[in-house]
Amino acid sequence: ETGVTQSPTHLIKTRGQQVTLRCSSQSGHNTVSWYQQALGQGPQFIFQYYREEENGRGNFPPRFSGLQFPNYSSELNVNALELDDSALYLCASSWYRGETQYFGPGTRLLVL
Amino acid sequence: AQKVTQAQTEISVVEKEDVTLDCVYETRDTTYYLFWYKQPPSGELVFLIRRNSFDEQNEISGRYSWNFQKSTSSFNFTITASQVVDSAVYFCALPSLTGANNLFFGTGTRLTVIP
Repeated sequence: ETGVTQSPTHLIKTRGQQVTLRCSSQSGHNTVSWYQQALGQGPQFIFQYYREEENGRGNFPPRFSGLQFPNYSSELNVNALELDDSALYLCASSWYRGETQYFGPGTRLLVL
Repeated sequence: AQKVTQAQTEISVVEKEDVTLDCVYETRDTTYYLFWYKQPPSGELVFLIRRNSFDEQNEISGRYSWNFQKSTSSFNFTITASQVVDSAVYFCALPSLTGANNLFFGTGTRLTVIP
């Protein structure tokens, strides 16, 4: 059974650019959640996708957007990057919304 | 709103000592789950346990044990005979009240086990 995978592992961007992060869910899982983890903090919920529809959103601006594909993999897009967007972005999948979430290794984004 | 408090920011112990990580939560739900995750330096959050609020039995898994007390809204985690590989940041988490059941995390406790 393949776990949650994310790409890329590291990324450096400059302020104002756009970035796309990718996540492949664990086999059999149809729900993907994205979290942002700033240094020294706990992860903060960005949004969740269930069967290709957004199923909930945290307190993040619209420049954070996402997609889920028919194979349940997902993308997180961030437009107009700001310095404060520098963080570890974690993707988690579960076999159903509300069930245990299993996390990927994360993507470390640095905005200069 | 859901809230999780992990008052211990950092703990250091010598190998083979026992250590307890504290977690206090707030929720309006009468039925809920609680979680513990481990985050080693690599960054990946590793699932450790999910506990239903109906079940107040202590749970033991190898060197790990969890003490859930609904009366004090606490869900503490004990590592017995700690090892260097236990060094990590540990997070306690509580699902939201919304349909997404997204997790609310505490700020984590960084555990360092000294050989």
